[in-house]
This record gives sequence, C-alpha cells and structure tokens, in this order.
Amino acid sequence: EDQVTQSPEALRLQEGESSSLNCSYTVSGLRGLFWYRQDPGKGPEFLFTLYSAGEEKEKERLKATLTKKESFLHITAPKPEDSATYLCACHSGGSNYKLTFGKGTLLTVNP
Amino acid sequence: GAGVSQTPSNKVTEKGKYVELRCDPISGHTALYWYRQSLGQGPEFLIYFQGTGAADDSGLPNDRFFAVRPEGSVSTLKIQRTERGDSAVYLCASSVQNNEQFFGPGTRLTVL
Repeated sequence: EDQVTQSPEALRLQEGESSSLNCSYTVSGLRGLFWYRQDPGKGPEFLFTLYSAGEEKEKERLKATLTKKESFLHITAPKPEDSATYLCACHSGGSNYKLTFGKGTLLTVNP
Repeated sequence: GAGVSQTPSNKVTEKGKYVELRCDPISGHTALYWYRQSLGQGPEFLIYFQGTGAADDSGLPNDRFFAVRPEGSVSTLKIQRTERGDSAVYLCASSVQNNEQFFGPGTRLTVL
C-alpha cells in the first residue's frame, strides 16, 4: 500500500532559524511528489512538484529536494508568515492523478 | 484569475439528511477531484473526473456518496442519509490534464 509519512508532526522555530521538514514515501513507480502549504480554514496551496531523484526547486525561502525514498522541504531564515501546515503528497496507485497525502507538519515561526 | 470556488463554505445538517456540495473549477481545467480532510489528517482522495465522466471513484467510502459533472465544468458531490462520521472538510481541486492540482477553500460539513 502506498504511504506518505511526514516528520516532525510539529516544529517550532525562531524567526531566522533555518530547518528542514521530511517526507518519506513508499510508492511504487513514483510519478510525482508535491508540496503544499495549508493555512487554517483554507485549502492547500500548491508549492512544488518534483519528478525524479536529484531534482530541486526553490521559491523564496523554500527549497524542495527529492531522493529515491524521501523529500525535504528546507526553510531558510523563516519569517512568522511562513507559519502553516506543510503537506506532502505523491501520485499513488500507479496513477498520475490520485494524490496520497501525509498528515502534514505544523510549522510555527515565532518573531 | 479566479481560483477554485466551493459552496457552501459551511453546511450543518442533521443525521439522515441529504446534502449537496458544489465545486466550480478553474476555467479551462479538464480534470476535477474531490478529497475529504478530517481534523489533523491530510486530504483523502474520493473521486476524479476527466471531462464529464468519473474516471476513478475508488475513494468514495460507500454508496451513499455520489458525484456528477454533467457539462464538464461544475461538479456536485451528493451525500445521502448523512452520518456523524461524514463530518469533515470536503475539498475540490482542478488541474490542466493531470498536472498540479489547485484546491478550493473547502466546505466544512457538520452532521449533528
């Protein structure tokens, strides 16, 4: 069964304190790994798609990387507005449309 | 441009009642998806439409759940004989072909 596991469940950082979130996956034939940001009471907001091991993508203070077993979301010098739940998802079931999500990492950045 | 919209934003109903949840996808997006998100969990796949047809409804929990997309744009998720366990946030997403999925704000369903 395809699984996506995120760690830690929650992370508290001071403003400017860089860190990384982890997403490990067991999916047969990965067709895409996605990172989303979700604010309370809102739907997930798309951040990145990664397709193959070694791929990296960046956006402002965020950088996503992918290996054959896991993905990392690196947050450099975070600001309080980066506080949110970060969700990782993979195409699953051998499909290129069905997403299996992890439970997310709740990130809190204190000023 | 306009994103995915969902109505209502909140729905409170009584056990046993019928509800309909509506999704307006991004214009031009051929693929549409429904997910369900419980508190503290990631979204769970329910159903996928490519155009007007349900290409994969394997995530629907039982036959009380049904979804349509008659003209290949707006979709309605229908739940019959609601149960307290159906309470969750129902999310709709759309995409161009099978690329990145863009989510709406969700409908929070509460079954009393």
